[in-house]
Amino acid sequence: AQKVTQAQTEISVVEKEDVTLDCVYETRDTTYYLFWYKQPPSGELVFLIRRNSFDEQNEISGRYSWNFQKSTSSFNFTITASQVVDSAVYFCALSEGGPRDYQLIWGAGTKLIIKP
Amino acid sequence: EADIYQTPRYLVIGTGKKITLECSQTMGHDKMYWYQQDPGMELHLIHYSYGVNSTEKGDLSSESTVSRIRTEHFPLTLESARPSHTSQYLCASSEYIGSLPGETQYFGPGTRLLVL
Repeated sequence: AQKVTQAQTEISVVEKEDVTLDCVYETRDTTYYLFWYKQPPSGELVFLIRRNSFDEQNEISGRYSWNFQKSTSSFNFTITASQVVDSAVYFCALSEGGPRDYQLIWGAGTKLIIKP
Repeated sequence: EADIYQTPRYLVIGTGKKITLECSQTMGHDKMYWYQQDPGMELHLIHYSYGVNSTEKGDLSSESTVSRIRTEHFPLTLESARPSHTSQYLCASSEYIGSLPGETQYFGPGTRLLVL
């Protein structure tokens, strides 16, 4: 069955530390997409990245980087030199085709607290 | 980036009242979604739509109803609000790409509902 696991419920670090948020997924499909979203305290969900199953290249965007490893079914997210503004709940999600193509399968989220 | 709007942002209402949460998007996206979420917790899909005159129930049972008369508009209605409906409601939209996975969902700012 499809599933997304974010085992870290909450992470707390001091500003400027690097932090990695883990995401492990389960799927039987060979074609699928993975997403990360950020939800700051204001409540809206902000799209961060979309990655398809055929592209295992790591991605870097400023202080953000993503490591996709099909061998371990993981799509981890690293923030380098964290800042207080990075404090938020981060969600990983999976999209598959077929009869459930209408929805994203969401992880439970990881609450990230960056202390000044 | 999608432009998607929700009103009201906050609503405090008494038990038994009828309420409508508004959601509009200007991207011309065919697919729209409603999620229910307790703050910082997992998202639960309650309704979705593939386009005009299409509405489906999501995985989480909800007493709310939706309509899709215009592409850009996807309101959610609660006929008789109860304290158990207290939650955050997030609207999202995505561009329909057929039965393939990978549509990015873009979210509105959410409506925080408190039923007394």
